Amino acid sequence: AQSVTQLDSQVPVFEEAPVELRCNYSSSVSVYLFWYVQYPNQGLQLLLKYLSGSTLVESINGFEAEFNKSQTSFHLRKPSVHISDTAEYFCAVSDSGTYKYIFGTGTRLKVLA
Amino acid sequence: EAQVTQNPRYLITVTGKKLTVTCSQNMNHEYMSWYRQDPGLGLRQIYYSMNVEVTDKGDVPEGYKVSRKEKRNFPLILESPSPNQTSLYFCASGVGTGEGEQYFGPGTRLTVT
Repeated sequence: AQSVTQLDSQVPVFEEAPVELRCNYSSSVSVYLFWYVQYPNQGLQLLLKYLSGSTLVESINGFEAEFNKSQTSFHLRKPSVHISDTAEYFCAVSDSGTYKYIFGTGTRLKVLA
Repeated sequence: EAQVTQNPRYLITVTGKKLTVTCSQNMNHEYMSWYRQDPGLGLRQIYYSMNVEVTDKGDVPEGYKVSRKEKRNFPLILESPSPNQTSLYFCASGVGTGEGEQYFGPGTRLTVT
């Protein structure tokens, strides 16, 4: 069965520093990959997704993630974080042709002034 | 405004008292799903629906029921709630199979005493 691992439960980082949030999934069979962000007391919002094509995907607010099939990873990166990026980030995977989504346990990003 | 709504947002109940959490979307999405979010466990899929009258179990369906009689509504039913169902519940909707973005509701915080 598909699974998603987010090894870092919390990541503190200073403002304007780079950050990487790690995500690994279990199966390299055709998958779709997602990063969602959850701000305090809100539902989840899609940050970016990989379906096919270019392995590097970007969001409108400066985040990017790279699909690495050989390492079954989909790490999220941002070169310079802002206080407003403080949130919980969830990696999710869906096997192609299915309706089931598997989420990771989440990584709390705390940006420090 | 395109949105997923859930009611109630907060609910405290007692063991064994049947309850229903409603979910409605106004985006004409075929796909709808319920998740529960627990600390350290991330989001886990309870049930999902590919279309009207078509539902299937997610990873943690025990103790829950769903129905999809109309495209816009997907209520979650707890016939006999127990304390281990105390959680934060999210409804989501989307298009297509696993490649699609999911749009999440604001969440329902349920406490079962």
